[in-house]
Amino acid sequence: AQRVTQPEKLLSVFKGAPVELKCNYSYSGSPELFWYVQYSRQRLQLLLRHISRESIKGFTADLNKGETSFHLKKPFAQEEDSAMYYCALFMDSNYQLIWGAGTKLIIKP
Amino acid sequence: DGGITQSPKYLFRKEGQNVTLSCEQNLNHDAMYWYRQDPGQGLRLIYYSQIVNDFQKGDIAEGYSVSREKKESFPLTVTSAQKNPTAFYLCASSIGGRRNQPQHFGDGTRLSIL
Repeated sequence: AQRVTQPEKLLSVFKGAPVELKCNYSYSGSPELFWYVQYSRQRLQLLLRHISRESIKGFTADLNKGETSFHLKKPFAQEEDSAMYYCALFMDSNYQLIWGAGTKLIIKP
Repeated sequence: DGGITQSPKYLFRKEGQNVTLSCEQNLNHDAMYWYRQDPGQGLRLIYYSQIVNDFQKGDIAEGYSVSREKKESFPLTVTSAQKNPTAFYLCASSIGGRRNQPQHFGDGTRLSIL
C-alpha cells in the first residue's frame, strides 16, 4: 500500500545546529516527492520537490530509492525555520498526493 | 495575496445542519481539492475535481458533498451525516494532470460544532 511516514511529530534543535526531518515512503511506481511547509499564520506552501533538485531557504532533500526515503536537511538551522513540515507523495494512478502526518520543527535560540 | 480564497475563516454548525465552505481560485487551474486536517493526522483528501462538472471521492468523502459548476469555484458542503465535522478544512488547486505540479492552498476554514 502507498504510504508516507514522518516518524517525528516534533523536532527541536538549537539555532545553528544541523536539521534533518525524516520522510519514508512506500510506493510501487516511480516516486515523485514533495516537501511542503506551513509557517505560523501562513498558508501551506511548497518548499521543494525532488524533481527540481534545488535548494530552497538552505534546505535540500535527496531521494534515496534504496532506502525509500526523502529526508529534508539543512546544515545550519535558523529561528525562522520553525514551522510545520509535510512530506507528500504523488500518485500516478489518480494524480493525487498522499501526505505524511507532519513534523513540527522548533528552532531554539 | 490572491490565488485561492476560502471563506469563511471560522464556521459553526448546529446539530442537523448542513454548512457550505467556499473555495475560489483565480489561478486558472483545472484541478481543485478539499482536505481535512486533524491534529497529528496530516491532510486527508475529501473530494477532488480534475475538470469542470466532474469530481471524485477521496479517502473520507462520507458526509460531504461538492459541486464544480465553474472552473474557479469548488464549494464543499458538510452535511448532517458527517458526525464528527470539527476540523480544519483546506482547499487547494493545481494545474492538474502532471506529476511535478505543486498544489496551492488557501488559508483554510475552521469548522466547529455548537
